[in-house]
Amino acid sequence: DGGITQSPKYLFRKEGQNVTLSCEQNLNHDAMYWYRQDPGQGLRLIYYSQIVNDFQKGDIAEGYSVSREKKESFPLTVTSAQKNPTAFYLCASTEDGVVSGNTIYFGEGSWLTVV
Amino acid sequence: KQEVTQIPAALSVPEGENLVLNCSFTDSAIYNLQWFRQDPGKGLTSLLLIQSSQREQTSGRLNASLDKSSGRSTLYIAASQPGDSATYLCAALFGSNYKLTFGKGTLLTVNP
Repeated sequence: DGGITQSPKYLFRKEGQNVTLSCEQNLNHDAMYWYRQDPGQGLRLIYYSQIVNDFQKGDIAEGYSVSREKKESFPLTVTSAQKNPTAFYLCASTEDGVVSGNTIYFGEGSWLTVV
Repeated sequence: KQEVTQIPAALSVPEGENLVLNCSFTDSAIYNLQWFRQDPGKGLTSLLLIQSSQREQTSGRLNASLDKSSGRSTLYIAASQPGDSATYLCAALFGSNYKLTFGKGTLLTVNP
């Protein structure tokens, strides 16, 4: 079945550590996105990538980094510079850019907790 | 500032009732609007996508409408079932920045 796989589902980070969340899709989609969701809040865009080897900052990119070396993979690194990283992280993809109006597909999410 | 608002934040109804969820947006230059379902601790599942040129979309017991002039969209759920219990989010794609802007969602509980 085609879809988006995020791992790990649950992750604990110590103060000062960098952690990387994995996102893999087998939908052959060009565009991929990372969102952050806090309890009772809407989704906020962290980074997005319209094509391999290219990515753009979203609304809350500070303290995060990404790479897009392969079409199917878009890992997100939460760095120690992110002061409040505890949240639910969602990866998503579209066939091409969101501007095309295509349906957006989401992974099952990753919970990150700072301990 | 472009914003999407969903009221109420939570709604509880008895099984079998027809219900309407509301979504309002501040910018009429909307490209499209999507409705999503989110189960607790899960990702989002797209339910319906309405392009700016359309007035409504239907899928099974779900019907979504779009009124750009009033800045509103509604999601109508017919004959609600306990399995419909979830958080429903709407998201607007505004033509000026081509980024999806999400509402905070409405938590729906359908009681048996």
